[in-house]
Amino acid sequence: EPEVTQTPSHQVTQMGQEVILRCVPISNHLYFYWYRQILGQKVEFLVSFYNNEISEKSEIFDDQFSVERPDGSNFTLKIRSTKLEDSAMYFCASRDITAAGNTIYFGEGSWLTVV
Amino acid sequence: GEDVEQSLFLSVREGDSSVINCTYTDSSSTYLYWYKQEPGAGLQLLTYIFSNMDMKQDQRLTVLLNKKDKHLSLRIADTQTGDSAIYFCAETPGYNFNKFYFGSGTKLNVKP
Repeated sequence: EPEVTQTPSHQVTQMGQEVILRCVPISNHLYFYWYRQILGQKVEFLVSFYNNEISEKSEIFDDQFSVERPDGSNFTLKIRSTKLEDSAMYFCASRDITAAGNTIYFGEGSWLTVV
Repeated sequence: GEDVEQSLFLSVREGDSSVINCTYTDSSSTYLYWYKQEPGAGLQLLTYIFSNMDMKQDQRLTVLLNKKDKHLSLRIADTQTGDSAIYFCAETPGYNFNKFYFGSGTKLNVKP
């Protein structure tokens, strides 16, 4: 079964450093997302991406965040200058709008620890 | 944003049925979902239900939807130790299919 893959699975970074989280969505999907889950809290929407541009973003997704689809397969989330409160599990997801149920498929997550 | 609430913990014995409950506030909810998260793993889609349905069954899983009360439940029959995980309820509103609103998750502990 096709799946969303994410790298790295775990990254530790120093505060102020730039981080890039990578995702390979399911190949025929057209909508891509980043969500995050701070430990013990709800999974929160960050951003959606369609047709090579951001279609929607949450208030969490401020200027230090950016997303890119640099080629036909990868979808990246960049955090320019990490803060302690950016420590979370970051989930990439993708969606095929023709599929039943409007279902989105999540990757395994990238656990980011900012120290 | 829309609110989705779940109880935090549920403990059952192996072989019993588990019922995980969820309430939501969005009256325009179109699809409602159950995701499973095992320790250190991602969110695995278990099942979903369209808002015009009352019930959906898929092997050991039964989803019940009471749209009037905005209540969703997931019943797992013959619960196994491998079912121990966190179960998340989620919904997409009818006005925006791009956004999923998640509950806090219910940690299911299955005792042998």
